[in-house]
Amino acid sequence: QVQLQESGPGLVKPSQTLSLTCTVSGGSMSSGFHWNWIRQTAGKGLEWLGRIYTTGSPNYNPSLKSRVTISVDRSKNQFSLKLNSVTAEDTAVYYCARQNIYMDVWGRGTTVTVSS
Amino acid sequence: DIQMTQSPSSVTASVGDRVTITCRASQGINNWLAWYQQKPGKAPKLLIYAASSLQNGVPSRFSGSGSGTDFTLTIDSLQPEDFATYYCQQATSFPYTFGQGTKLEI
Repeated sequence: QVQLQESGPGLVKPSQTLSLTCTVSGGSMSSGFHWNWIRQTAGKGLEWLGRIYTTGSPNYNPSLKSRVTISVDRSKNQFSLKLNSVTAEDTAVYYCARQNIYMDVWGRGTTVTVSS
Repeated sequence: DIQMTQSPSSVTASVGDRVTITCRASQGINNWLAWYQQKPGKAPKLLIYAASSLQNGVPSRFSGSGSGTDFTLTIDSLQPEDFATYYCQQATSFPYTFGQGTKLEI
């Protein structure tokens, strides 16, 4: 059974880059899914950040104004999120999720706080 | 962006009740809609996809309907484990967007 696990720093300073990794276990990333990042805040609810196909181009949420980059490392069965120039508004629980048209497998989520 | 509006924002019900949650899209999305259940401290869980298809392992008391702009999630004979927050999500165009959530409380 496929499982996803997010990892990365829980605290990031304002203006720096938030970097998270999602590790896929129990299955290969080369099996034709899209791999997504979503975040959740009390104020804005669930917000889709973007996705990547294992062999294709990423798709991003335009609201992030080119601050976001998603990449994949199939050799490690991982995909990653980078969010530049963070502010307090980027404080959230970040989830990674597998998408087979719909997001059917989610990681447990990781809390990232932006603060000096 | 396609706006997803859920109603009500919260609903109080009892074990054994039938509950219906509505989701409206700001433009037509055919049947490209999913429903998720989220419990405190947990990730969302896919319940319904393509507006009315039950995800594997989800109890049959959950059902979805609708097409175009108006959708419903119905839970028949509420069980204690169903008390959670429910979200709809459109998957027809980028950026994917979610409803604001409906909290189902005892």
